[in-house]
Amino acid sequence: RKEVEQDPGPFNVPEGATVAFNCTYSNSASQSFFWYRQDCRKEPKLLMSVYSSGNEDGRFTAQLNRASQYISLLIRDSKLSDSATYLCVVNTNTGNQFYFGTGTSLTVIP
Amino acid sequence: EAGVAQSPRYKIIEKRQSVAFWCNPISGHATLYWYQQILGQGPKLLIQFQNNGVVDDSQLPKDRFSAERLKGVDSTLKIQPAKLEDSAVYLCASSLNHVQETQYFGPGTRLLVL
Repeated sequence: RKEVEQDPGPFNVPEGATVAFNCTYSNSASQSFFWYRQDCRKEPKLLMSVYSSGNEDGRFTAQLNRASQYISLLIRDSKLSDSATYLCVVNTNTGNQFYFGTGTSLTVIP
Repeated sequence: EAGVAQSPRYKIIEKRQSVAFWCNPISGHATLYWYQQILGQGPKLLIQFQNNGVVDDSQLPKDRFSAERLKGVDSTLKIQPAKLEDSAVYLCASSLNHVQETQYFGPGTRLLVL
């Protein structure tokens, strides 16, 4: 079983739509969680960290469900510029291991 | 602030040849990572350094891959000999110190093995 699993998509949504991505992780000892964004042929960049209480940054909301071992990313009022691949990242501090999901592809359509 | 620098940006070699990649992390960043990203997949951690010591290299194919970080700053990743399946983007990232901190990625080196 993979450490981190994501639905690869692609998700094609119209501008202004709300879209949600989920990511599941297998190691219950995982401690740190992140969402990274990767544009085509570019390097990943941190979008936001995911905290136990959930956190929001403008149109983006991230949530963590430890009991079910998944994290989510919600994007409201999608913009064309949101088109990218969204990578879920999980860290097990005990092993200092970072695991990336395969990424979920999002295309926002005019 | 200068970002993570990597070179070369592109490399094409034939199988069984050797290749080396270079990374210069953000100044002051103690932790350095090398990732392999195959097309259509997420980055896979190959090796992690804390200063000049190896923290984790459990996913590094040690029969052909090697990496070093002399003086705790720059790092090189080598493949010898290369195989077709090594074709990928090799990403270097750095973070200030702790594993929970943000990783900053370099632009990557695109390797094609023919």
